[in-house]
Order: sequence, then structure tokens, then C-alpha cells
Amino acid sequence: GAVVSQHPSWVICKSGTSVKIECRSLDFQATTMFWYRQFPKQSLMLMATSNEGSKATYEQGVEKDKFLINHASLTLSTLTVTSAHPEDSSFYICSARDYRGFLYNEQFFGPGTRLTVL
Amino acid sequence: AQSVTQPDIHITVSEGASLELRCNYSYGATPYLFWYVQSPGQGLQLLLKYFSGDTLVQGIKGFEAEFKRSQSSFNLRKPSVHWSDAAEYFCAVGANSGNTPLVFGKGTRLSVIA
Repeated sequence: GAVVSQHPSWVICKSGTSVKIECRSLDFQATTMFWYRQFPKQSLMLMATSNEGSKATYEQGVEKDKFLINHASLTLSTLTVTSAHPEDSSFYICSARDYRGFLYNEQFFGPGTRLTVL
Repeated sequence: AQSVTQPDIHITVSEGASLELRCNYSYGATPYLFWYVQSPGQGLQLLLKYFSGDTLVQGIKGFEAEFKRSQSSFNLRKPSVHWSDAAEYFCAVGANSGNTPLVFGKGTRLSVIA
């Protein structure tokens, strides 16, 4: 149980295009989802926190208009990188948490999405 | 604010040797502590976690960690390292709160030599 999926697992796009990454909790309801970004050989940096049905809370330095997050249901959150540029190339990882149930004290991580912007 | 320090950026051990990866945390309340492993190009895999109770925690792949409140540490250990253990290891601290995300250390890269 407690599986989180991400789609796509990797994507290559041209500079200036937008890319959408989906994060799904497959067997539990994710009341909160987190989006992290990881550059090569670095740690995970939190980008934003989203609660179902609410606007996402972004970390300082993360552009809200570039990284659009939608958490429309208890099992799906999406991250859209708008007008992507090469510096947006990174490994994006989502995680999900259900703070209402017995899984409340854990975050479950997706497998990550590798974005390469040409 | 909570933080995690992993003092060792890179560690090299011989196959069959013992391993200890250090993790120190800063947190105002009782922390929830985690160790994750990440192979190149892959996602995170949870090795073990500490919420409460016994301070020595057993995890997968033969790993264990000990929570020492007095030292604010949660070091990861393995008695005999295998070549397949070569990877990046992350320590993380969290809270029992729905909106509080895990905070990660910078990671320790483990290399295993024959």
C-alpha cells in the first residue's frame, strides 16, 4: 500500500513550451502533496506544498507563475512548468501524505520525473 | 526551524566492511526521522524510520539506525557493506503535522570498493 506514481517518468521538451507532470496517490487519499526539485548530485529542495482544494504554498524563491500546481482531487496533483527553459531541467519528485488516517505521519514519494529542456 | 546535517559528503568503504553514516538534526519537538537511499536516476527508497519507542530501529537491506536525543543524532549503520549499497543516502526530519514537509540533509554518497 501507500504507492505514489508520477507521469511521465521522463520528458524532453523545447525551450518555451509547457510541460505537465502528474502525481497520483494510488491507494490512499492524499490530503497534502509536496513537490521537490533535485539538481544533479544535490539534495531535494522543497518547491511547494499543496492541500486538496486549496492554493499551493510556494517556498521562497520559487516562481508561482512558472511552476503551476493544481491539487484538484485527493488522489491527483499536477505541476506545470510553463515556458520552460534549459535552467528548468531537473529531477522533479512529488510526495503525498494523508494526515487524517493511519498513514498520517509519513510522506510517500513518487519515482520522480526527469525534465530536460533543450 | 528544523534542519538536518549530514557531515560527510562522500564516504568510501571496502566491501564487507562496516558502515556508519552520520546525521544530526535540529528540531524543537520530538522529531520523526527517516533515512532514504537513492540510486542514480532513481527515486527515493525508504530504508527506515523512527517515530517513537525503541531508539534502535531496524530497516531494510540490513540497515539500522539509532536515535540519540542527547546528541540530536540518527546515525545509519550496516555491519557489512555490499557493492550494491553504493548510492546516495539522505537523512530527513519531519513532524506529525499534515502540512509540514520533510526536510532533507544534503546527502552522503557511498562508494564501495572491492
